[in-house]
Amino acid sequence: DAKTTQPPSMDCAEGRAANLPCNHSTISGNEYVYWYRQIHSQGPQYIIHGLKNNETNEMASLIITEDRKSSTLILPHATLRDTAVYYCIVRVAGDSGYALNFGKGTSLLVTP
Amino acid sequence: DARVTQTPRHKVTEMGQEVTMRCQPILGHNTVFWYRQTMMQGLELLAYFRNRAPLDDSGMPKDRFSAEMPDATLATLKIQPSEPRDSAVYFCASGPWGGGPGTGELFFGEGSRLTVL
Repeated sequence: DAKTTQPPSMDCAEGRAANLPCNHSTISGNEYVYWYRQIHSQGPQYIIHGLKNNETNEMASLIITEDRKSSTLILPHATLRDTAVYYCIVRVAGDSGYALNFGKGTSLLVTP
Repeated sequence: DARVTQTPRHKVTEMGQEVTMRCQPILGHNTVFWYRQTMMQGLELLAYFRNRAPLDDSGMPKDRFSAEMPDATLATLKIQPSEPRDSAVYFCASGPWGGGPGTGELFFGEGSRLTVL
């Protein structure tokens, strides 16, 4: 699996957009980019994933660069409840399974 | 709301005791994972199953840990004998993968917090 690099921590003011970057310069053509988050004392929660195109759902948007070497997760209007650790994971899907290997992630603090 | 259910939520035990953690995956999910989380190591994959068959347990200490799926509605993780270094939060997760690429949502339970004294 391609390695990902994320900043260890970020701050964001409530109501503003939170833009969380992720570098995955060694990503392969068949690897997807996944984002999960973990709110304190809870299990990780799926946010979004994508291969090449930008993706949007009710939680967030995922912007993947054209060369696919980096991506950005966007929380358009961050709330205090978005304070969590955000994990960027790249993974190839195959017959051997779909296990996700979590790195250290970015600790996002949303402030009032 | 369909969810992954883990029991017990909290367990305090003494070194040397057997510990069994249980997980009920979401009905219809055919892939089940066990993860362990500590402050030092973060989230570590221990083992996972597809259609109840173990696919990979390379992350699990084999001498004391064992993982099984007696049926499609129950996954168990057993530690015997337990040691203080096993203290961690153990998460179970399930997913609906059917073999095609791109499906990515993995549903986690709330975790079992284990303390071994």
